[in-house]
Amino acid sequence: QVHLRESGPGLVKPSQTLSLTCTVSGGSVSSGGYYWYWIRQQPGRGLEYIGYIFSAGNTYYNPSLQSRVTISLDTSENHFSLKLSSVTAADTAVYYCARDAYGDYGGFGPWGQGTLVTVSS
Amino acid sequence: DIQMTQSPSSLSASVGDRVTITCRASQSISIYLNWYQQKPGKAPKLLIYTTSRLESGVPSRFSGSGSGTDFTLTINSLQPEDFATYYCQQSYSTPMYTFGQGTKLEIK
Repeated sequence: QVHLRESGPGLVKPSQTLSLTCTVSGGSVSSGGYYWYWIRQQPGRGLEYIGYIFSAGNTYYNPSLQSRVTISLDTSENHFSLKLSSVTAADTAVYYCARDAYGDYGGFGPWGQGTLVTVSS
Repeated sequence: DIQMTQSPSSLSASVGDRVTITCRASQSISIYLNWYQQKPGKAPKLLIYTTSRLESGVPSRFSGSGSGTDFTLTINSLQPEDFATYYCQQSYSTPMYTFGQGTKLEIK
């Protein structure tokens, strides 16, 4: 059974770059034809889709964040990463990584536990 | 983007009740609608995918229906562990997905 775990700094200064890693165990990020996602949840609010990287390396980003987001795959470490540049207080959120459940139509299956990132000086 | 609107935003019910949560899409999404349950401090959990398919391990008191723009999540005989926030999510416009704003189910 695949497990995902987010890690990274819990505090980022405004205008800097937020960097998070999602470590995958119980499966390979580069095989199986899976989509690996980032999703965030601002405090007390709903869920916002950030984007994905496919196991072959293709990416897609939410247009609302596209100019600031990069998602990458590290097959040697079996993890994938999120970088969000020029952050502001509005980027304060719990960030989740997830994998598709049943292809790109079937929802988000396994999730990490989430990691809170606060943007503050 | 396809907008997803859930109703109600919050709901009070008692153990044993039957509850229904509605999700409406701003355009037709066929059957590509998924439901999640989120408890405080936890990640969302997939309950139902493509409108009516129950995720493995999810109790059969949960069910989903609908097509096009209107969808429902029904929970029969509410259990104490069902009090949580529920989100719908459309996967029709892949690779761009959107969520509803959530429905908080509270104990009456």
